Amino acid sequence: EPEVTQTPSHQVTQMGQEVILRCVPISNHLYFYWYRQILGQKVEFLVSFYNNEISEKSEIFDDQFSVERPDGSNFTLKIRSTKLEDSAMYFCASSEERAAITGELFFGEGSRLTVL
Amino acid sequence: SQQGEEDPQALSIQEGENATMNCSYKTSINNLQWYRQNSGRGLVHLILIRSNEREKHSGRLRVTLDTSKKSSSLLITASRAADTASYFCATDERETSGSRLTFGEGTQLTVNP
Repeated sequence: EPEVTQTPSHQVTQMGQEVILRCVPISNHLYFYWYRQILGQKVEFLVSFYNNEISEKSEIFDDQFSVERPDGSNFTLKIRSTKLEDSAMYFCASSEERAAITGELFFGEGSRLTVL
Repeated sequence: SQQGEEDPQALSIQEGENATMNCSYKTSINNLQWYRQNSGRGLVHLILIRSNEREKHSGRLRVTLDTSKKSSSLLITASRAADTASYFCATDERETSGSRLTFGEGTQLTVNP
């Protein structure tokens, strides 16, 4: 069964360092997303991406964050200068259609980011 | 309070019992979904109900939606120990571009064997 894969599964970094989280969405999907979940809290939307541009972003997704689809398969989230409060599990997701149309998002297993 | 709030926050039942989780939301929606998350894992889609639907079934799952009360419930019948997980409702708000889901706080379900 097709799945969304994420790397690394866990990354530890020093405050102020740049981090790139990588995702390989399901191959025929057109919409890509990043969500995050701080330990013990709910899942929060960061950004959606379609047709090589950002469709929507949340207030969390400030200038420190960027996304890119550098080739036909990868979808990356970059955090330019990490802060302690960026420590969270970051989930990549993909879907065939917008959430409003078919709804179902397929999530990866997540990348746990620990900022020291 | 925020879009997508579940109650109870935690629910502990015995295997074979039914589990009911509730979700409330604040804005107009296109659809409402329920997801499951095993501890430390990714989210798995369970079921979607559209705003013009009132009830939907999928296997042991039954979802209801009351748009007048802006609430939904997820019923898991004949629960199993393997159903132990966190359950989240997620809404797609009409005021957004339709590409964003807003998740609730989640209900931690424990099914004791």
